[in-house]
Formats: sequence, structure tokens, C-alpha cells
Amino acid sequence: EAGVTQFPSHSVIEKGQTVTLRCDPISGHDNLYWYRRVMGKEIKFLLHFVKESKQDESGMPNNRFLAERTGGTYSTLKVQPAELEDSGVYFCASSQASIYNEQFFGPGTRLTVL
Amino acid sequence: KNQVEQSPQSLIILEGKNCTLQCNYTVSPFSNLRWYKQDTGRGPVSLTIMTFSENTKSNGRYTATLDADTKQSSLHITASQLSDSASYICVVRGNSGGGADGLTFGKGTHLIIQP
Repeated sequence: EAGVTQFPSHSVIEKGQTVTLRCDPISGHDNLYWYRRVMGKEIKFLLHFVKESKQDESGMPNNRFLAERTGGTYSTLKVQPAELEDSGVYFCASSQASIYNEQFFGPGTRLTVL
Repeated sequence: KNQVEQSPQSLIILEGKNCTLQCNYTVSPFSNLRWYKQDTGRGPVSLTIMTFSENTKSNGRYTATLDADTKQSSLHITASQLSDSASYICVVRGNSGGGADGLTFGKGTHLIIQP
């Protein structure tokens, strides 16, 4: 069974440009999460989808970030316009609804804003 | 404020040696604690999960302990191998919900195994 996949693996853009990250969760997982890790800091929550609905987006830093999950399958995270402080590794995770609720993580997208 | 503190920040040991990583947390109420291993360029992978009533759990050469009273956990690696080189992240889940289903992440311990 394929795990969580993310595309691209790396992205280098200039300040002010737009970038779209994609996450394909494990098939059948209704829960999808976006996280970000800034260098030297811990992984921080961005938002949580249940199927196509945003369950919690309390971690989204500002309105330059837009996440979608049309059809409840893959998800995209768009940053527009990108700022220097948006640099970091963006992880996606998915999970089934279970009492242990283990989240399976993708390999991440390393975003560098110059 | 929920926090997870890990120590040491980094650790270098020789292949074949044992090591212990520490995790202290202030998450309340507590639901469970997971140790994740993150290889370079990969996402975190769960090694163990500990619930309130569990003191020790093993997964091969990895043994996790939990003291819910002192809010401390440790991950002991026995007979280390080169493939154990990775970041080890302690993640605590609270019962009060919130973002990411109430998960709070530590910064991780960067472990390097030298031949």
C-alpha cells in the first residue's frame, strides 16, 4: 500500500511568488493534516481536513496560505505571495478515525523563499 | 501552555553502544505519547505509542518508558546500528482536542551513530 506522498520534494522561489504544494494521503484516510517545520523549531500544526471539510485551521499563519481538498482526496496548500519567513519543511499526514489516531506522515516539501 | 521538551538536542555514539533519549511534557489532560523516528529526507514514522496506564513498551531494539506522574518519557536504543542515525521526535496527544487532534511536538533529538 502506498504511503502519503507529497510533491514537489523541494521548491525554491523568490519572495512574492506563488507556490502550490500537493499531498496525496493514504487511500481511505478521511483525515488529512498539514504541518510546517521551520529550521530549529518543532513541527507545528497548520490545519486539518476531514474529507473535504476544514475541521480546524487554527494553525494557518495568515491569509497568504490557502488549503483545499476538493473531493476529499488529495490536498493542495498554496502560498501567495510567499515571504522569507515561509521557508521550512511542509509535512502532510493522514489518518483513519481510530482511538489511537496514528498519523502517517509524508516525506515533506522543503520550501525555500529567497 | 502545552509543551514537549526533549534532551539532548543532539547525540553522537559509536555503533553497538546503547543510548537513552529523554522527553518531558506539560500536556494536560494526557491521552498518549508517541516516539517517532525521522530519517533525513523522510517523514516521521511512529516507533511506539504509550497510554496512561503503560510504563514500558518495546519495539525491537527500541524501548520506551513512561512515567505519567512526573510527565517524563524515555526512549532507549540498544546495540545501536548505523541505520539508527535519525531525528527522534516525542509527540504528546492531549484529550482536550484542538489542532492536529491535540498533538504537541518536541523539537527532536538528532542522533548520529558512528562506525
